[in-house]
Amino acid sequence: DAMVIQNPRYQVTQFGKPVTLSCSQTLNHNVMYWYQQKSSQAPKLLFHYYDKDFNNEADTPDNFQSRRPNTSFCFLDIRSPGLGDAAMYLCATSRQPYYEQYFGPGTRLTVT
Amino acid sequence: AQKVTQAQTEISVVEKEDVTLDCVYETRDTTYYLFWYKQPPSGELVFLIRRNSFDEQNEISGRYSWNFQKSTSSFNFTITASQVVDSAVYFCALSEIIQGAQKLVFGQGTRLTINP
Repeated sequence: DAMVIQNPRYQVTQFGKPVTLSCSQTLNHNVMYWYQQKSSQAPKLLFHYYDKDFNNEADTPDNFQSRRPNTSFCFLDIRSPGLGDAAMYLCATSRQPYYEQYFGPGTRLTVT
Repeated sequence: AQKVTQAQTEISVVEKEDVTLDCVYETRDTTYYLFWYKQPPSGELVFLIRRNSFDEQNEISGRYSWNFQKSTSSFNFTITASQVVDSAVYFCALSEIIQGAQKLVFGQGTRLTINP
């Protein structure tokens, strides 16, 4: 039944050690999004893919990259995690613009 | 710029009480969409409702109802006969289309606690 799957649910990485978070979907949606959510804050959009077109938010640090090898999968790469990157990372999908977004359960990243 | 304000940071009520979560938005767009999402302690954002700017009909879904008023730029959410399982953070969001895809502008969220 899971529609948007994120792995792992919890990730611990060391300061400066690259980490990759994954997201997959069974909905065949065109758009995939990555959000960062820090404690007691609203989700903040990092970037999104509309099909193969990548769109970066202006204030997303260069440290964050993304890949979408096919419709179903999308990855978030953090090249050199800092302590300030500790957060919940949420993946979402939508069929088309203006449609509702469906979120995965999130990956909670801890940086030690 | 688009903005969503949820003035109530936290609300705490006793089970079976009715509770209304307020949402006020700002936009220059004539066509836009409004959403409510629920985030339980598990962390996943759960979609509740989507409403477009041309549809001001109120919506009811079980114990949930939504009141959309363009005149006051508000999209309030009411839970009737609240239950402990309703405890969560609720986010109101406004959409804008950027480069062909939708960007959600979220309010800061309202933490709702339903006490038994």
